[in-house]
Order: sequence, then structure tokens, then C-alpha cells
Amino acid sequence: AQTVTQSQPEMSVQEAETVTLSCTYDTSESDYYLFWYKQPPSRQMILVIRQEAYKQQNATENRFSVNFQKAAKSFSLKISDSQLGDAAMYFCATFGNEKLTFGTGTRLTIIP
Amino acid sequence: GAVVSQHPSWVICKSGTSVKIECRSLDFQATTMFWYRQFPKQSLMLMATSNEGSKATYEQGVEKDKFLINHASLTLSTLTVTSAHPEDSSFYICSARVLANEQFFGPGTRLTVL
Repeated sequence: AQTVTQSQPEMSVQEAETVTLSCTYDTSESDYYLFWYKQPPSRQMILVIRQEAYKQQNATENRFSVNFQKAAKSFSLKISDSQLGDAAMYFCATFGNEKLTFGTGTRLTIIP
Repeated sequence: GAVVSQHPSWVICKSGTSVKIECRSLDFQATTMFWYRQFPKQSLMLMATSNEGSKATYEQGVEKDKFLINHASLTLSTLTVTSAHPEDSSFYICSARVLANEQFFGPGTRLTVL
């Protein structure tokens, strides 16, 4: 069984500043993947970043990076130079046992 | 990148009728597709896994006779909500597996049952 916990229902950040979204997870899988998805008002799910659990190096995609702490089962997302288009719901998810399990999401607001 | 479409994007139906939602992978073949349900301001909940040419695997608590899933080809999966009732109103999202661990999502279908 897998669980994903996002303890921050809402976050806000000033435009151009940096924000970190938290995520913890639990899984019985030895081989698994972690994801951050973005869901803007259109409700289209967009993959932001992916991390293979067997890789120690933190994944980075342009302004988005993760802090993956495997022992602590923590997988936080850092957004640098926040832009208005980053405003959305962000879901942390783990893939294991052939399925994705999502957290409850964090609504990110960007303050102009 | 891989594109997944859903049709319709929004459907309104009367209580007791059935509604079919289509999920298509446009530029790739998907042996596995997934169906999720999302209530307002909540997360995505996996309803079932759809494998081409075989019966769908439903998650615990999902009524398989109410939510009929058919995956007749490598590019099309359908979800039929049978005898829909107002409590079935929700946002339904499909996804298609591209790699072993990656899924691409459709834009979703908003179902409103009157």
C-alpha cells in the first residue's frame, strides 16, 4: 500500500520569489517513482518533475527542483523565480504496484 | 509529447440514463489506461486500470457494474456510467501509460447528473 501526504493545503509566494511545497510518502515497494503534477484551472494534469527512487541525485527541470530524502520518505518541490503561470494545484504522487497514488494537493497562489 | 484526448469534455444527463466517456491516445498506442475520479477541491482517486483486450481491474469500493470500462483497441478506452445518479456527478480523468512508470493525462470530463 502507498500513501502520500501533503501537509500544506495552500501556499502563496511573491512573484519572482522561491517557494517549497512539502510531500511525504510511504510505500512498501523497493522500486518506485515519485512525481509532482500541476493542475491549473483548466484541470489538465501536467507533469512537472519526476524522480526515480534509486537515483540519489535530485531531479531538476529548469525552475523546478526536488529535495528527495529517501530515508525520511520526503519529496519536496522547490519552485524558483515564481511566475504567475505557476499558480495551480500541485499534487505529489508515487508510482508503485502499477498505480499512481496522489496526495491531497497544495494550492499555490502567486502574488504579483 | 504524447497526447491523450477525452470526449465529451462536459456532459449533462438526466438521472437514470447512461453516459459514455471516451479516452483516446492520439499519437501512440497504450496497452494500459487508467480512469480517475476527482471531486471538487479534492485529489484524484484511481477507479480502475484498463488493459487492452482484457477485463478492467477495479479499485476497492468502485462498482464495476456501474462503471463499465472497455478497452477494445490500443488507442481507445471507454468509461460508461450506467444508470447515473446525482452522486455520480464528478470530474472524470483518464490517463494512458507511455512508459513503465509514466502516464499522460486527458483533459477530463465533467459529468453533471440532474
